[in-house]
Amino acid sequence: AQSVAQPEDQVNVAEGNPLTVKCTYSVSGNPYLFWYVQYPNRGLQFLLKYITGDNLVKGSYGFEAEFNKSQTSFHLKKPSALVSDSALYFCAVRDMRNTDKLIFGTGTRLQVFP
Amino acid sequence: NAGVTQTPKFQVLKTGQSMTLQCAQDMNHEYMSWYRQDPGMGLRLIHYSVGAGITDQGEVPNGYNVSRSTTEDFPLRLLSAAPSQTSVYFCASSNGGEQYFGPGTRLTVT
Repeated sequence: AQSVAQPEDQVNVAEGNPLTVKCTYSVSGNPYLFWYVQYPNRGLQFLLKYITGDNLVKGSYGFEAEFNKSQTSFHLKKPSALVSDSALYFCAVRDMRNTDKLIFGTGTRLQVFP
Repeated sequence: NAGVTQTPKFQVLKTGQSMTLQCAQDMNHEYMSWYRQDPGMGLRLIHYSVGAGITDQGEVPNGYNVSRSTTEDFPLRLLSAAPSQTSVYFCASSNGGEQYFGPGTRLTVT
């Protein structure tokens, strides 16, 4: 079965420090992977995606993600966290049977402290 | 471009009432979907559509109906509301790539 796991419900980091939000996936074949962010009382916003090519993908707001095929991971990273990065982050993988359908993880709440 | 719009933003229903959540997109996307978001459960797919006239069930379809008569609109109908349907509902659309989400409807069933 295809799935995405976000092992941490919450990640706490001090402003200015690097942050990592973890995501692992399970799909057959080559995965299409996505990260979304949700600010309070808002819809989800697309951050970045991996389809093919360079394993390091750059996205919006200074975020990047590293695709690791051997570890089946797609961790979200940022070199220097901002308080305004505090939000709920979702990892998703495209359903290989349906080119538009996404399978979402349960989300990780990122809290950046001043 | 308005993107994906949803109405209403908030709604309170009594058990047994019916209502329709509206969703529209102006990006000419073929794929549209409805999710519900509950604490600790992420987003769960209710129904989706790959084009006008075509709909299919997602992960949690019971108690909900959809139709897709046009490319732009994808309404979600609650037939007889239950407290278990208290949730935040998101509509999304895409065209082979990332999905674009609406602002959500917060529904409370008492």
